[in-house]
Amino acid sequence: DVKVTQSSRYLVKRTGEKVFLECVQDMDHENMFWYRQDPGLGLRLIYFSYDVKMKEKGDIPEGYSVSREKKERFSLILESASTNQTSMYLCASSGAVLNTGELFFGEGSRLTVL
Amino acid sequence: QQQVKQSPQSLIVQKGGISIINCAYENTAFDYFPWYQQFPGKGPALLIAIRPDVSEKKEGRFTISFNKSAKQFSLHIMDSQPGDSATYFCAASKSGGSNYKLTFGKGTLLTVNP
Repeated sequence: DVKVTQSSRYLVKRTGEKVFLECVQDMDHENMFWYRQDPGLGLRLIYFSYDVKMKEKGDIPEGYSVSREKKERFSLILESASTNQTSMYLCASSGAVLNTGELFFGEGSRLTVL
Repeated sequence: QQQVKQSPQSLIVQKGGISIINCAYENTAFDYFPWYQQFPGKGPALLIAIRPDVSEKKEGRFTISFNKSAKQFSLHIMDSQPGDSATYFCAASKSGGSNYKLTFGKGTLLTVNP
């Protein structure tokens, strides 16, 4: 089975702190994604990567950056956390042929910024 | 601009009833329409998907109906069970080019009462 692992399920940070969210997938997938999930707003794409060291902005990239140094690992970085970044963050991966539509998601990282 | 509109936001159904969730899209270039199911504390997982060359796809108790001219598609859950209680997301994507991105609806929280 495909496994997407998000290292932290729950984090509490203070405003202004730098936050790293880590995601690892074990299926040699080319594509990796970071989504943010908020009640009533659904899943919104922050950034995605289709290859090592490649990244593209999604719909809401402001306040975030990403890093993909290895194929299996995709990190989301909040340079200076703010309270409006309190949310559930979901990492996902997919194989090269994305037009199957199948994303494999991790279980999420719930971030609270105080 | 919300490209995929999903309704209702929440739905309560009695056990054995039919659950119906609707989605409408705007981009006529979309050619793949998956539904994702998310249980509490878990990431979304692919449930069923359809391409516009067919008007209906059925997998067990789950059916997608697709109306290309109206740019609408819906999920029907027959004989709904308490175990179906989850959040459901419709999504859409287009093949080719920047086909890496799925556009999600805002989600429907389904509660099936015993």
